[in-house]
Amino acid sequence: QQQVKQSPQSLIVQKGGISIINCAYENTAFDYFPWYQQFPGKGPALLIAIRPDVSEKKEGRFTISFNKSAKQFSLHIMDSQPGDSATYFCAASPTGGFKTIFGAGTRLFVKA
Amino acid sequence: KAGVTQTPRYLIKTRGQQVTLSCSPISGHRSVSWYQQTPGQGLQFLFEYFSETQRNKGNFPGRFSGRQFSNSRSEMNVSTLELGDSALYLCASSPMGGHEKLFFGSGTQLSVL
Repeated sequence: QQQVKQSPQSLIVQKGGISIINCAYENTAFDYFPWYQQFPGKGPALLIAIRPDVSEKKEGRFTISFNKSAKQFSLHIMDSQPGDSATYFCAASPTGGFKTIFGAGTRLFVKA
Repeated sequence: KAGVTQTPRYLIKTRGQQVTLSCSPISGHRSVSWYQQTPGQGLQFLFEYFSETQRNKGNFPGRFSGRQFSNSRSEMNVSTLELGDSALYLCASSPMGGHEKLFFGSGTQLSVL
């Protein structure tokens, strides 16, 4: 019940294309769903986050879509750029749980 | 503001030894969490501290322990090292009382030979 399942494991997208990463969860106690971006040699950095009372959140080229009934959420990267090449982690945090559960990660490569 | 600082950056130990890793959170952040990152298991939660109290712990053996000091700096200790403990150990601090908006350090890469 604590798992967050992420797909695909890796993704190759052409420059200017749309990158889509999907995640699913089981635990209905999760109430905060962030996405983190990690470059080699660095720790993950918070990219964008959403709460279950909102179905979509957009920040620049990054959009989270959230489907509460299906217990699924996804990250869309519009106009993907080579600089977006990194590993992306979806995550979930339960109310008062003082922990964040991470998906397995998606390695994104944007071809120039 | 300075980011989360982890020391040392790299560490090589042999089986059976113990190791202590250090983390200095962003100034004003009182919550510090530790994660183990490996290629096969991804990011696994170790424990979280707030105001010197451990509020949550992951599913790791008792060889993994941590503590937080009054200035919010944190240390984690691994005793009787095993080959499988080789990993990147990440520390994250949070400005919130809960577990949102984690700010990660660059980690300590531990290699156990």
